[in-house]
Amino acid sequence: GAGVSQTPSNKVTEKGKYVELRCDPISGHTALYWYRQSLGQGPEFLIYFQGTGAADDSGLPNDRFFAVRPEGSVSTLKIQRTERGDSAVYLCASSLTAGQGTYEQYFGPGTRLTVT
Amino acid sequence: AQSVAQPEDQVNVAEGNPLTVKCTYSVSGNPYLFWYVQYPNRGLQFLLKYITGDNLVKGSYGFEAEFNKSQTSFHLKKPSALVSDSALYFCAVRERGTYKYIFGTGTRLKVLA
Repeated sequence: GAGVSQTPSNKVTEKGKYVELRCDPISGHTALYWYRQSLGQGPEFLIYFQGTGAADDSGLPNDRFFAVRPEGSVSTLKIQRTERGDSAVYLCASSLTAGQGTYEQYFGPGTRLTVT
Repeated sequence: AQSVAQPEDQVNVAEGNPLTVKCTYSVSGNPYLFWYVQYPNRGLQFLLKYITGDNLVKGSYGFEAEFNKSQTSFHLKKPSALVSDSALYFCAVRERGTYKYIFGTGTRLKVLA
């Protein structure tokens, strides 16, 4: 079956611009995560959705970052007034709801964001 | 606060030899523990997990990991390494009652023919 997909695969933007990164999770997966991975580092948790609601957004670095999942499927990570320090690979992962006892996440290929 | 440590940036092992990739963690209470692998130009792939029960967990591609509560470790092992196992390996922890995963910085495994 189809895995997690992310678009675009690469995004180059100028400092100060607004960007949107999209994630299509595996069908039927109600849990969705966003991570940021910088070079030489592991994925850094940003936000977790259970259905349409953000159950934990404690990893968002500041109020320039925002994410939505209006219908409980596709999610969009939005970054306002981008800064060079935002350059990283943004990963999306989905899983069956944790309440069903299945916890492994399925990751997308990521979006490489470069802020010039 | 939760944390994960992967003390080795790189592990080199000869093909056919056993391999170990180390991971230690710090959480309140009992953890959920995971190993993921990242091949070049591919997304992270799940290898195995510890939720409860037997301390020795078996996963994909012949990998296994042992949960050691007293040492707060979850080392990844394989009895006989393959060149195709060469990749970047990440350990992750999640504290029970939360949904936030903490990943280690990764260990690059290089299996030499």
